[in-house]
Amino acid sequence: AQKITQTQPGMFVQEKEAVTLDCTYDTSDQSYGLFWYKQPSSGEMIFLIYQGSYDEQNATEGRYSLNFQKARKSANLVISASQLGDSAMYFCAMREGQVGGSYIPTFGRGTSLIVHP
Amino acid sequence: EAQVTQNPRYLITVTGKKLTVTCSQNMNHEYMSWYRQDPGLGLRQIYYSMNVEVTDKGDVPEGYKVSRKEKRNFPLILESPSPNQTSLYFCASSETGRWDNEQFFGPGTRLTVL
Repeated sequence: AQKITQTQPGMFVQEKEAVTLDCTYDTSDQSYGLFWYKQPSSGEMIFLIYQGSYDEQNATEGRYSLNFQKARKSANLVISASQLGDSAMYFCAMREGQVGGSYIPTFGRGTSLIVHP
Repeated sequence: EAQVTQNPRYLITVTGKKLTVTCSQNMNHEYMSWYRQDPGLGLRQIYYSMNVEVTDKGDVPEGYKVSRKEKRNFPLILESPSPNQTSLYFCASSETGRWDNEQFFGPGTRLTVL
């Protein structure tokens, strides 16, 4: 079973509008971290935002926020006021608390976001 | 500047010709890892290292070797590359293997095996 599921292979948004990229996760650990990365067409992986399992508040970083719903095991990325430069692949990832002994982070398959002018 | 470097950035080789992709970080991180990225599959971890001389398999280790003789370096070795190892490879590091540690990624190495 996939530990990280991103159900939207592609998304389109109009410039200056907000967009939500979905991510659901599966873990039995109490301690885990959720990460979002951006990969522009140039290929590098850029860290955007982090949410820890014990964090009570949703994480925010500038125009990025994470809608963390622990009971539903979802960690959706919200990008406000989209810009043309936001066009990229976005990956959700998880690191677990190694209850099962694994130190292997897992990544979703990604969502391709295109921002239209 | 804190960074993870990889070399080469691009490599075209032929089946069976041994190659090494180097990875180095200047952040004194304990944890280092290698990923491959294939279309539609996201990133999959090949090997990771918790510290010097401590390495372990990730999800897709077949056909790869690694070593960690120094804390800053974590080379990826393909002893007999095959076309199915054509991929985009990333090296990454984090302070430790803890769940709340952010990973820092290198720029990627695009490998083509003919």
